[in-house]
Amino acid sequence: DAGVTQSPTHLIKTRGQHVTLRCSPISGHKSVSWYQQVLGQGPQFIFQYYEKEERGRGNFPDRFSARQFPNYSSELNVNALLLGDSALYLCASSLGAGANTGELFFGEGSRLTVL
Amino acid sequence: QQQVKQSPQSLIVQKGGISIINCAYENTAFDYFPWYQQFPGKGPALLIAIRPDVSEKKEGRFTISFNKSAKQFSLHIMDSQPGDSATYFCAASNSSNYQLIWGAGTKLIIKP
Repeated sequence: DAGVTQSPTHLIKTRGQHVTLRCSPISGHKSVSWYQQVLGQGPQFIFQYYEKEERGRGNFPDRFSARQFPNYSSELNVNALLLGDSALYLCASSLGAGANTGELFFGEGSRLTVL
Repeated sequence: QQQVKQSPQSLIVQKGGISIINCAYENTAFDYFPWYQQFPGKGPALLIAIRPDVSEKKEGRFTISFNKSAKQFSLHIMDSQPGDSATYFCAASNSSNYQLIWGAGTKLIIKP
């Protein structure tokens, strides 16, 4: 069975550009969450979507946006990139809506470098 | 109050020894405490999780000890093996929130 898949795995952008990251959840999972992991730190929550509706948003600026499609895949968009946006962006899927209702399954992440 | 504080930042243990990682929290509304293991270049993977109605949970060589009054929980890895070398994260969440709050991580190295 396929796990959580993310694309692209690595990408390099320059300041001010826009980036779109994509995530396909495990088949049957209806919840997708996005986390940002800066090198040497724990992941920070960005968004959670369940059944195509935004259920939670972390403390990130409006430059960050996301959506979930009818097939439960998801996109994370970041506008006007800053150097500080350089990080590993992790997507996680789960069966239930809450973070404490079951296991979060993570993809391998998209490594974004902003120059 | 939303923080989870994790220690130590790094840990070196001899093969066969016991690895112990500690976490502390402030928010008494947290009701789910998972531990994740992350290898370089990979996403985190759930290792073991506990809810506050029990004080200990054991799965194989991995044990979570939970002290509700002290608002602390810890991960014990018995008979540590070189393959356990990874970064370990504690986390917490509550039923009214959709996010996991993560500790800063502990880089564990098991020396053969």
